[in-house]
Amino acid sequence: AQSVSQHNHHVILSEAASLELGCNYSYGGTVNLFWYVQYPGQHLQLLLKYFSGDPLVKGIKGFEAEFIKSKFSFNLRKPSVQWSDTAEYFCAVTPEFGSGNTGKLIFGQGTTLQVKP
Amino acid sequence: DAGITQSPRYKITETGRQVTLMCHQTWSHSYMFWYRQDLGHGLRLIYYSAAADITDKGEVPDGYVVSRSKTENFPLTLESATRSQTSVYFCASSEWDGEAFFGQGTRLTVV
Repeated sequence: AQSVSQHNHHVILSEAASLELGCNYSYGGTVNLFWYVQYPGQHLQLLLKYFSGDPLVKGIKGFEAEFIKSKFSFNLRKPSVQWSDTAEYFCAVTPEFGSGNTGKLIFGQGTTLQVKP
Repeated sequence: DAGITQSPRYKITETGRQVTLMCHQTWSHSYMFWYRQDLGHGLRLIYYSAAADITDKGEVPDGYVVSRSKTENFPLTLESATRSQTSVYFCASSEWDGEAFFGQGTRLTVV
């Protein structure tokens, strides 16, 4: 069975600080990887996704993530955070199309990011 | 408008009652999901569906029932609500690649 682990549960940063949120997954096959963001009181929205190709993917609002296959990791980064980045961030994984359980989307526990102005 | 809508947005029910949360999508996505969001647990998958009449259990299916007679609808029923089912419930839909689109959520309180 697939699973996702996010190591940082609550992160507090000052504006302009750099951000890195860890995400590791457990699954024996090829996966598609995602980071979603949930702003206070809102539903989840896609930040970025990785299917194949360049392991460094860029998303919206200056976020990027790096897929390291050997470490089963998909860490989220941003060079300089803003107060408006205060939100909850979720890593998610689904098996690649054609694998077992295709489409079954599993999320990590989430990381709450608080950015102080 | 195209999208995914959940109803109701807020619901208070009593222990032991049956309650159904509705989810409707207009994209004709193959996959639909139900998650519950609880502090400290993130999003946990309750049930998902790969197509009409095909459903499968997620991580926390006990106490829930789903059906999918039409591609666009995926209702979630709590057969006999318990206080532990107090949560925020999110419905989502996607195609095979897993890029999911979420509804606004239903905040359910079981008293």
